[in-house]
Amino acid sequence: GAGVSQSPSNKVTEKGKDVELRCDPISGHTALYWYRQSLGQGLEFLIYFQGNSAPDKSGLPSDRFSAERTGGSVSTLTIQRTQQEDSAVYLCASSRPAGGSPLHFGNGTRLTVT
Amino acid sequence: AQKITQTQPGMFVQEKEAVTLDCTYDTSDPSYGLFWYKQPSSGEMIFLIYQGSYDQQNATEGRYSLNFQKARKSANLVISASQLGDSAMYFCAMREGPGGTGNQFYFGTGTSLTVIP
Repeated sequence: GAGVSQSPSNKVTEKGKDVELRCDPISGHTALYWYRQSLGQGLEFLIYFQGNSAPDKSGLPSDRFSAERTGGSVSTLTIQRTQQEDSAVYLCASSRPAGGSPLHFGNGTRLTVT
Repeated sequence: AQKITQTQPGMFVQEKEAVTLDCTYDTSDPSYGLFWYKQPSSGEMIFLIYQGSYDQQNATEGRYSLNFQKARKSANLVISASQLGDSAMYFCAMREGPGGTGNQFYFGTGTSLTVIP
């Protein structure tokens, strides 16, 4: 596709359940980012993948959060034992690694934990 | 210290007027890139404009221009001839490294712009 694709667009889950969020980046973009945005707030960095390098996981808020990227393309963000404070919009973005290349964002997954 | 600071949580501008959204940044890296994004109420993040730290000229893209003052570490976004569709959140971001190739994009907290008819 032409842009970054995220699924599902909306997810409602019960507290304590696990969820998986998917991101399909733009073809040829080797850099992939996950961000979290709570209502009316800025972007919180979660994790970054660049090619075959080890991911930068420095933004993951707890060990309940994990992410993987298969074949340098599709990425999955997994949240285990969800808590109500995990409710937010999860944004995925991709870019080329070259200087000046902007992030291209998906439309996000709105996660609601009840 | 915050990497990106946006001190205006909310701004109002009359339609057809120009408006400046402030952004200051903090880095010791001589090479970096600065970006502005627009986020309408629909939620998508739209890339507006880019400025490299070594660019001699201020970046311009249509009605958007970036007032880059390197010594002051500021990268203010200027929107000329505001339109109702410009009402949105605006985020300033920085990526360190040559031309902006580092790992992280650092985002500011955003400025909410409302254009008044």
